[in-house]
Amino acid sequence: QVQLQESGPGLVKPSETLSLTCTVSGGSVSSGSFYWSWIRQPPGKGLEWIGYVYYSGTTNYNPSLKSRVTISVDTSKNHFSLKLSSVTAADTAVYYCARGHNWNPDYFDYWGQGTLVTVSS
Amino acid sequence: QSVLTQPPSVSGAPGQRVTISCTGSSSNIGAGYDVHWYQQIPGTAPKLLIYANNNRPSGVPDRFSGSKSGTSASLAITGLQAEDEADYYCQSYDRSLSASEVFGGGTKLTVL
Repeated sequence: QVQLQESGPGLVKPSETLSLTCTVSGGSVSSGSFYWSWIRQPPGKGLEWIGYVYYSGTTNYNPSLKSRVTISVDTSKNHFSLKLSSVTAADTAVYYCARGHNWNPDYFDYWGQGTLVTVSS
Repeated sequence: QSVLTQPPSVSGAPGQRVTISCTGSSSNIGAGYDVHWYQQIPGTAPKLLIYANNNRPSGVPDRFSGSKSGTSASLAITGLQAEDEADYYCQSYDRSLSASEVFGGGTKLTVL
């Protein structure tokens, strides 16, 4: 059974960089069949796709966040990471990592439990 | 404001059938992209419910079904149960200027 687990600071100051890691167990980020994604959900609101990374390092980002987002993968540690720069209160959300199954478009079949990141001074 | 429009809420009594619509356009659902559905119980992560318009992952009851036609898709739930009370999201891809995976705004299902 594939499991994903987010980790990282729960509080980030405005203008700083949010950094999260998603550790995968029961599966490998090196599998060529999947895209490793980040998705967020502001409190009381809907879901927003942030972007994904492929095992090769290829990335694709939501255009609305592209200038501030970096997603990377570390196959040796079987994890992938999210960095979001210049954060504001609008970036306060539960951040989920998820496995994207290659389709048209990808669908997300396994999710982490989510981690709340609050942007506040 | 999402490019995929869902009703904010729907409700039904136990045993009844409800449907949740997901309305898009020619730049997403109407362009041939598949639609996926997720169920989110408050306080938990979303769970894949339907993929590629009408396919159920292993373990999802056959009370849940999906369909797609033109620029819209629908999720149907028959034999409504109290445990079905949750938020439901559709997901597809939009190829407009903001080309991206997109989610609907979500629909809150209340079991009366």
